[in-house]
Order: sequence, then C-alpha cells, then structure tokens
Amino acid sequence: EIVLTQSPGTLSLSPGERATLSCRASQSVSNNYLVWYQQKPGQAPRLLIYAASSRATGIPDRFSGSGSGTDFTLTISRPEPEDFAVYYCQQYGSSPYTFGQGTKLEIK
Amino acid sequence: EVHLVDSGGGLLQPGGSLRLSCVASGFTFTNYAMNWVRQAPGKGLEWVSSISGSGGSVYYADSVKGRFTISRDNSKDTLYLQMNSLRAEDTAIYYCAKTNSVSYYAYFDYWGQGTLVTVSS
Repeated sequence: EIVLTQSPGTLSLSPGERATLSCRASQSVSNNYLVWYQQKPGQAPRLLIYAASSRATGIPDRFSGSGSGTDFTLTISRPEPEDFAVYYCQQYGSSPYTFGQGTKLEIK
Repeated sequence: EVHLVDSGGGLLQPGGSLRLSCVASGFTFTNYAMNWVRQAPGKGLEWVSSISGSGGSVYYADSVKGRFTISRDNSKDTLYLQMNSLRAEDTAIYYCAKTNSVSYYAYFDYWGQGTLVTVSS
C-alpha cells in the first residue's frame, strides 16, 4: 500500500500569499496518477488537479500541480478567502487507492 | 450536470446492517466505475470500495472486506453499499464518488453530499 504524507499539517497564510503544499509517497506513484482535492467544512471534496498537474474543469488557474514519482506539490499562487480549506492528495495508480492525511490552509 | 445523491445512513448498534444508496444523474451511469469513500468525524478520507461500470469487477479496502458489498443497478442509475457486521470504527460520513473511467484506475471527479452512519451502543 502506498502511504501518502502531506506537509505541513497546517499552513497559516494571509490572502494573496503564495501557498505551497507537499505530498510525498512511500513509493513511486504509477503514471503519476495523483490528484488533489479541496474540502470545506460540511462539504464533499472537490477535484482540483488530476494526473499530478492537470486542472479539473472550472478550477481557477491560480491552482497548479507539479511533481512526479514520489514528490508532488500543489501551489495556490494568490489564495482568495474562499481557498482556505483542507486539501488532500490521493493516488489512483495502485491498489488500494490511498489518501494523504490532509493539509489545512488557514487564514493568518 | 452530474448529480449524486447519497442516502440510507443512520444510527445503529454494533453488529447491525445497513444499505446505502447513491442515485446518479446527468451522465451515462453504466459508462463509469463508481466508488464509496468514507470520512470518520474530524478525520481524513478513506477509500472503501469500487465497482466497474458493468458491475463485473469489485474491489474492497481490507478494513471492510467480507463485511461490505458494493453493487449497482444500471437500469436505475443507482449504486449501493450493503454494510454488515458494523463496528464502532465504521462510524463515518459515506460519500459515493464517480470516476472518470469505466474501469478501476481512475480519479474521482464528482462526489455525492454524503450520508452519515453512526455505529454506537
């Protein structure tokens, strides 16, 4: 089973301050099949990025994904107030699917 | 527009059974694998089970194997999760999620709103 470790656990930033979230895998993620989701309180997760770097439909271009193999990054270039939420990475290249434990992006 | 509506959650005692449903609309249901993902209160996300578009292939997390059964009725555009021998650690919000492919290795592009299952004596 691939273990995904996200860091930091909590990221405190001001709106407009660049956010960099990390997701590290215990072994290489097949085909870079890694996604990022955003989850707000009381809501279901929302797909942001798939295949490590492709933005999902309707996702603003301030969200970008990068990385390959075992190290992946989600960058929010200029976070808006609505971007403060919890972010999860997930790999879908190997069975079983696994998720990271989440990074909470909070307003400083 | 894709829409997934989860239902069937509730409060029950350890050892009990429950069936969750997820009604889909806005896409050709049989063309996509479907999944259940759960989230314990205040915790992260955990994949539970997946089923191919035809229903011929199913997959389970070790934590639920032998107790949960995923199925689908493509004539009703509905996904199910039969949960037996429930334990306190199964307490969670259960989300159905659509993949972007007919087969297993695919990401979840749409999610239901979730249904809460509470297992407690």
